[in-house]
Amino acid sequence: KAGVTQTPRYLIKTRGQQVTLSCSPISGHRSVSWYQQTPGQGLQFLFEYFSETQRNKGNFPGRFSGRQFSNSRSEMNVSTLELGDSALYLCASSLRQWGTGELFFGEGSRLTVL
Amino acid sequence: TQLLEQSPQFLSIQEGENLTVYCNSSSVFSSLQWYRQEPGEGPVLLVTVVTGGEVKKLKRLTFQFGDARKDSSLHITAAQTGDTGLYLCAGGDPGNTGKLIFGQGTTLQVKP
Repeated sequence: KAGVTQTPRYLIKTRGQQVTLSCSPISGHRSVSWYQQTPGQGLQFLFEYFSETQRNKGNFPGRFSGRQFSNSRSEMNVSTLELGDSALYLCASSLRQWGTGELFFGEGSRLTVL
Repeated sequence: TQLLEQSPQFLSIQEGENLTVYCNSSSVFSSLQWYRQEPGEGPVLLVTVVTGGEVKKLKRLTFQFGDARKDSSLHITAAQTGDTGLYLCAGGDPGNTGKLIFGQGTTLQVKP
């Protein structure tokens, strides 16, 4: 059974640019969550999607957005990048809609903003 | 302020030593999870504790959920270099938003 796949694994952008990250969940999982991981803040919840609908959103500015497609694949977008957006962005899929089930994480997309 | 406070934040020990990692909160959780994250990978679930006072064992790892369901601990006996990693506790948002909230994590380094 294939795991959660995130692309790209690494990317470097400059301030002001925008970036799109992709996540393919485990087959059959309809819930996809996104987290930002930094050394100082740990894992911070960005948003969760279930059946193409955003069910939850964390405390991030509107520059962070996402969507989920009918095949459960998800993308997140960050516009007008800032230096502080440098982080590991983790996607996780789950069988359960509500966020207390087991999360299966991808390896992450490491974003560096220069 | 973190809803889930983990301590210690960093731990460096020799192979064979025992250690305990704590996850504390002022809020009650219906369940708590423990994940381990190795460098370059995403977190992987180790265990979920649900009942107050519950103790679960996973080989040399012992997990305990506090009686009041506000805290949890992870004890590793005779640590091995393969135990090196970031240990994260997580719980469903007590505000019932459905989010899974993570602690800051404990970075464990086991030296040979």
